[in-house]
Amino acid sequence: DAGVTQTPRHEVAEKGQTIILKCEPVSGHNDLFWYRQTKIQGLELLSYFRSKSLMEDGGAFKDRFKAEMLNSSFSTLKIQPTEPKDSAVYLCASNPGTGAYEQYFGPGTRLTVL
Amino acid sequence: QQKVQQSPESLSVPEGGMASLNCTSSDRNFQYFWWYRQHSGEGPKALMSIFSDGDKKEGRFTAHLNKASLHVSLHIRDSQPSDSALYFCAASDNNAGAKLTFGGGTRLTVRP
Repeated sequence: DAGVTQTPRHEVAEKGQTIILKCEPVSGHNDLFWYRQTKIQGLELLSYFRSKSLMEDGGAFKDRFKAEMLNSSFSTLKIQPTEPKDSAVYLCASNPGTGAYEQYFGPGTRLTVL
Repeated sequence: QQKVQQSPESLSVPEGGMASLNCTSSDRNFQYFWWYRQHSGEGPKALMSIFSDGDKKEGRFTAHLNKASLHVSLHIRDSQPSDSALYFCAASDNNAGAKLTFGGGTRLTVRP
């Protein structure tokens, strides 16, 4: 089975640009999560979808970050406009949604904002 | 204050040695715990879960949970250089694994 796929793996943006990160969850999984990972803050939850419905939208990230789940097999995270402090690794994870299952993470997208 | 705190921040052990990682939750709603491991350039990967008091052993890895103190630990015996990674403790208030709260991580280095 294919795992979680994230594209691109690396992204370099100028301050003020709009960038879109993409994620394909494990087929059949109902839950999808977006995280931001930095050395200082660790893993921070940005958004959480269950069966394509937005369950949680991280309060501190609402103004410039927007995650969408266009269908059950594809999600995007848009950052608009980007700022240098957004430089981080963005991780997508999915979970079957029922029972005691682990979250499966993608390899992440490393974003650098100049 | 983070709801899930890990210690130490970093740990170095010799190859073949025992590594012990700790995690404490400040939220009594958290009853289900996971350990994740992240190698450089990869996403985190679940190592094991522990939901009941006591020990759970999987190969060289043993997790211990004390629900009364909300303390969970991970012990790695016979540590290998390939165990060098960032280890996260994660907690949830339901066993579906949805919405995990992660600790800050422990960086483990196994010296050859």
